[in-house]
Amino acid sequence: KAGVTQTPRYLIKTRGQQVTLSCSPISGHRSVSWYQQTPGQGLQFLFEYFSETQRNKGNFPGRFSGRQFSNSRSEMNVSTLELGDSALYLCASSREPGLAGGGFLAKNIQYFGAGTRLSVL
Amino acid sequence: GQQVMQIPQYQHVQEGEDFTTYCNSSTTLSNIQWYKQRPGGHPVFLIQLVKSGEVKKQKRLTFQFGEAKKNSSLHITATQTTDVGTYFCAGRSSNYQLIWGAGTKLIIKP
Repeated sequence: KAGVTQTPRYLIKTRGQQVTLSCSPISGHRSVSWYQQTPGQGLQFLFEYFSETQRNKGNFPGRFSGRQFSNSRSEMNVSTLELGDSALYLCASSREPGLAGGGFLAKNIQYFGAGTRLSVL
Repeated sequence: GQQVMQIPQYQHVQEGEDFTTYCNSSTTLSNIQWYKQRPGGHPVFLIQLVKSGEVKKQKRLTFQFGEAKKNSSLHITATQTTDVGTYFCAGRSSNYQLIWGAGTKLIIKP
């Protein structure tokens, strides 16, 4: 089974531009989450999608947006790039979104892609 | 908002020494997951704890979930160079969001 695929792996942009990152989840996984990782801030949750609907959203400005398609593939978009947006953007897929308690444990394990490293100059 | 505090941020150990990282949540968690990220890699799932007071072992790794389901720990016995990386806890909150700790970076002293 292929893992989570993120494209592109590396990206260089300049301030003010916009960027679109793509994530193809593991076959059969319907939930996709996006994270920003920087050396000083750890993993910051951006948003989670399930069945083309955004289920949860982190504390990021509106310049960060995302969507999920009917085949579960997801894209995230960052408009009006700032220097501080330079980071590793990770996508994670799971079979189901977060489930409380002890039910269906394996369904909400997150499988991460290799990430897209974005540099904003 | 809901937070999961993870300490320490870094831990330097000699090979063969033990390592422990702790996570504390401001609210009760439904479950907690642990991930490991090797240098240059991406987080990889290690284990999930669900029950109050649960303890699970994977070879030299011992994971615990507190009685109140607000704290958790990962203990590695006799560290090896292959243990190097950053260990993250991630707690599932009541609204199903996964709240991540900041990670503990394990560094083996030469």
